[in-house]
Order: sequence, then structure tokens, then C-alpha cells
Amino acid sequence: GESVGLHLPTLSVQEGDNSIINCAYSNSASDYFIWYKQESGKGPQFIIDIRSNMDKRQGQRVTVLLNKTVKHLSLQIAATQPGDSAVYFCAENSLINDKVIFGPGTSLSVIP
Amino acid sequence: NAGVTQTPKFRILKIGQSMTLQCAQDMNHNYMYWYRQDPGMGLKLIYYSVGAGITDKGEVPNGYNVSRSTTEDFPLRLELAAPSQTSVYFCASSSFGQSTDTQYFGPGTRLTVL
Repeated sequence: GESVGLHLPTLSVQEGDNSIINCAYSNSASDYFIWYKQESGKGPQFIIDIRSNMDKRQGQRVTVLLNKTVKHLSLQIAATQPGDSAVYFCAENSLINDKVIFGPGTSLSVIP
Repeated sequence: NAGVTQTPKFRILKIGQSMTLQCAQDMNHNYMYWYRQDPGMGLKLIYYSVGAGITDKGEVPNGYNVSRSTTEDFPLRLELAAPSQTSVYFCASSSFGQSTDTQYFGPGTRLTVL
């Protein structure tokens, strides 16, 4: 069946280092991908998105990479800060199916 | 703009009780959604609405009901609470459909059914 990031991994990084959070998806028809950040006790918050006609998109301190060949999505955070500590979700969207699938998330912990 | 607001923040119910989770958005979004989030799992869609007067089932609708009488409000009703409904509930909204547009989430309602 369809799945996005079945496991909930954790990632610990030193403040100032770069973070890379990975997400695997299985639906080849997915054509729009979003990364969300969820801080403790809050709702998910949009970070960055990418469409399937692109393989890279940059925002402020964040970069999303899309590899459609291996169905892999990654979020890179430059110069990670304590405020980046949160759970990060990827979501894959399919216009054909009109469906969104959320991954379980990756917990990022920044060590001061 | 307040964005998406949800009340209450926390609630404890006994088995068989009923309650309504409130959700409101002030962004004039047509689309609204209800999700539940269980520990270590991704968000699961319960119900959604593409506009006032129109609602549709998501992935896990059993045990829930919704209504959408206005663009702004999208309440979620639990008629007979069960322990399996213990979860964190998020309401979200978007301008366009879920497959093409980012969603804006509320702060969540943490529900415990004992």
C-alpha cells in the first residue's frame, strides 16, 4: 500500500551543524510534497514545498531535495538552532488521487 | 488573522459520552479538514469539507460526524466516545484542495477517553 516514512526516527545534532531529515514515499503518482514542522504541543506548520517537476528548492536556511527515481525526499536545515527542535513531517500529495499522505515524522533534537 | 483556532485544548471523556470539538478559521478558506494524530503515527484524515454545506469522509470517519454550515466553522462531533478515540485532533484549512495546496493547522485538541 501507500506509505510515507513508516518509522519515527530521531535525530540529534549539535547547534550550528547542518541537519538532514529523510523521507521515503511509495506513490509514484505523488506530484506535490510538503515539509511541516511540529513543535511540542502545537499544530504542524508549513516549512517548504516542492513540486514533482523540480528536484531542489531553497528557502531561508532550509532546502528540500526530491529524488523521484528512488522516491526520496529530504529536508536540509543549515546552521541548526535550538528553535529547530521539533518533529518534522513530510507529506506527499497526489493531484490524481486528490489525497495527502503524512509520514509519522522525525524528531529533531538540537544540542546546545 | 487568528488563523485556525480550536477549542477546547484538552478534554477527558468517559466512555459513551459525547462532545463537539470546535474549529474556526478566519482566512476565508473553502477547504477544511479534521485529522487525528496518534503517537508515532502520521496524521489520519477523519472528515473534510470543500465548502459550506459539503462534507465528505476521509480515511477514518467511523465514530465521528461533522457539519459545515458556514465557511468559517467546521465542528467535529463524537457521539459515543470510545477509548480508541483517545488522540490529538487537528483541524486544518486551505484555499484549494489538499492535493495542491498547503494546509494551515490549528493548535490541536488533546482528547482522552477513559
